[in-house]
Amino acid sequence: KAGVTQTPRYLIKTRGQQVTLSCSPISGHRSVSWYQQTPGQGLQFLFEYFSETQRNKGNFPGRFSGRQFSNSRSEMNVSTLELGDSALYLCASSLSQTGIGVNEKLFFGSGTQLSVL
Amino acid sequence: LAKTTQPISMDSYEGQEVNITCSHNNIATNDYITWYQQFPSQGPRFIIQGYKTKVTNEVASLFIPADRKSSTLSLPRVSLSDTAVYYCLVADKGSGYALNFGKGTSLLVTP
Repeated sequence: KAGVTQTPRYLIKTRGQQVTLSCSPISGHRSVSWYQQTPGQGLQFLFEYFSETQRNKGNFPGRFSGRQFSNSRSEMNVSTLELGDSALYLCASSLSQTGIGVNEKLFFGSGTQLSVL
Repeated sequence: LAKTTQPISMDSYEGQEVNITCSHNNIATNDYITWYQQFPSQGPRFIIQGYKTKVTNEVASLFIPADRKSSTLSLPRVSLSDTAVYYCLVADKGSGYALNFGKGTSLLVTP
């Protein structure tokens, strides 16, 4: 079974631009969650989608948004990029049915490394 | 905002047992404690999960006291390939169950 696939692997943008990242979950997984990882803040939760609905959201500004398609693939968008948005963006999928919680094992992709210049 | 607390870094020699403790005072009643391992340029990988007492698998052991406000990940006889960042994960009841990985513990294993 294929793992979680994230594209692109690397991305360079300039301030003010917007970016869209893609995540394909493991087949059969309907929950997809997104995380931002930086050296200073560690691994922070952005949001989680299940059956095309956002179920849970972390403490990030509205410039960070996402969506999920009927095939469970998910995209994450960041508008009006700032230098501080430079980070590794990770997505994870799980078999969670009732809420991401911690009781369901998360399977992570290798991430998209975003650099904002 | 409640959060987990782990040591920022630890050092060990090959062959030693390593114990990493995580504090989670605001753990949700029905939620488990899960540990993940992350190598550079990769996403975290599940290691072990438990609710109380002790859990053991082929990779590690997890010790959880009765009050569940902390947990200890035990890695027996570490090797160089165990050099990684280890995250303790619990549901954060104070923030609507948003997952909180924190900064993890960076473990360096040397010969």
